[in-house]
Amino acid sequence: DIQMTQSPSLLSASVGDRVTLNCKASQNINKNLNWYQQKLGEAPKLLIYYTNNLQTGIPSRFSGSGSGTDYTLTISSLQPEDVATYYCYQYNSGWTFGGGTKLELK
Amino acid sequence: EVQLVESGGGLVQPGRSLKLSCLASGFTFSNYGMNWIRQAPGKGLEWVASISSSSSYIYYADTVKGRFTISRDNAKNTLYLQMTSLRSEDTALYYCARGATVDYWGQGVMVTVSS
Repeated sequence: DIQMTQSPSLLSASVGDRVTLNCKASQNINKNLNWYQQKLGEAPKLLIYYTNNLQTGIPSRFSGSGSGTDYTLTISSLQPEDVATYYCYQYNSGWTFGGGTKLELK
Repeated sequence: EVQLVESGGGLVQPGRSLKLSCLASGFTFSNYGMNWIRQAPGKGLEWVASISSSSSYIYYADTVKGRFTISRDNAKNTLYLQMTSLRSEDTALYYCARGATVDYWGQGVMVTVSS
């Protein structure tokens, strides 16, 4: 089974900061990776699909990159409404979520 | 507008059964595979099961294999999850989610397994 490891597990940043969240797969997942945002008490929302494709309606400050086993979600300028937990999800072989990165304001 | 509405959750004793439903609207249900994903209280997301659009392909997480059954009725635009031999570790918010891309999620239904 493919394991997904997200880092850091907790990230504190200020409004306007450039923020980078990491996701590492235990084997090559061929860019078959999504990123989700989950705010407190809400269902997850798809942000990025297939590594770097922005879901409709998602602000352009969110972007994704990566290949092989290493993937990144970047928020170019952190906004207060971005406080949430972020999950990566691979669907290359089976289906596996990362453990999440909780993003809070400093 | 895509909508997924789960129902059927509740409090159940260990070893008992429960069946969840997910009513879909706003898209052609029969064209999409569907998924169940769960989240234990205060924990992360766990993929549970997936079913293809015509029910030809079905997959389960090892943690539920042999106990849970995913199914669908395309005429009723409804996805199901039959859960048997429930355990305390099955306590979670259960989401249904659309497609291989897992692009839309319902709001979830809570299942609590406790005596």
